[in-house]
Amino acid sequence: AQKVTQAQTEISVVEKEDVTLDCVYETRDTTYYLFWYKQPPSGELVFLIRRNSFDEQNEISGRYSWNFQKSTSSFNFTITASQVVDSAVYFCAQLTDKLIFGTGTRLQVFP
Amino acid sequence: GAGVSQSPSNKVTEKGKDVELRCDPISGHTALYWYRQSLGQGLEFLIYFQGNSAPDKSGLPSDRFSAERTGGSVSTLTIQRTQQEDSAVYLCASSLFAGRSGANVLTFGAGSRLTVL
Repeated sequence: AQKVTQAQTEISVVEKEDVTLDCVYETRDTTYYLFWYKQPPSGELVFLIRRNSFDEQNEISGRYSWNFQKSTSSFNFTITASQVVDSAVYFCAQLTDKLIFGTGTRLQVFP
Repeated sequence: GAGVSQSPSNKVTEKGKDVELRCDPISGHTALYWYRQSLGQGLEFLIYFQGNSAPDKSGLPSDRFSAERTGGSVSTLTIQRTQQEDSAVYLCASSLFAGRSGANVLTFGAGSRLTVL
């Protein structure tokens, strides 16, 4: 069965704090892809990153970094020095035959 | 087009009426997906198309829901005899092709907000 769990429903931080959003996935497939999407208040989903199951290298893009660990079936997302504009709902997703999303984590960054 | 277009952006209907939601994918994208997002909830997979075929309809909540795609382009999601629990934002996405591929990044439309009174 394919499942994505984002246990954190809502996180609140003050600007400049670091924050990590957790994502745990389940699959029996050996080939799959993991994604993070951002949904700002405007509502439109924005693609952030894709990682395939054969590449466990961590990735950093500016203030964003992702930690993929197959041993724990996790694909966590860290925002360093958070900003108010980071406030959004963040979705982790897994692609095998179809893209399945977690329930999302609402991040609120206060000034 | 440059992005995924969905219409209408907002639809208010009375319980029991039928509604049609339209999705116009990015030109050249062969795969098209429908998701539903209820208030404050995650994205629930409904159905996807590869070309005009729908290999996976497992997410459709009931037989009141149907979708079709013609010409490998525009798709219509139809909800018959709407119920209040159908109220949600219906999101459409498209990608170059379906399935497992490094190139398969879904691009989402802005959604159609359906309110059933």
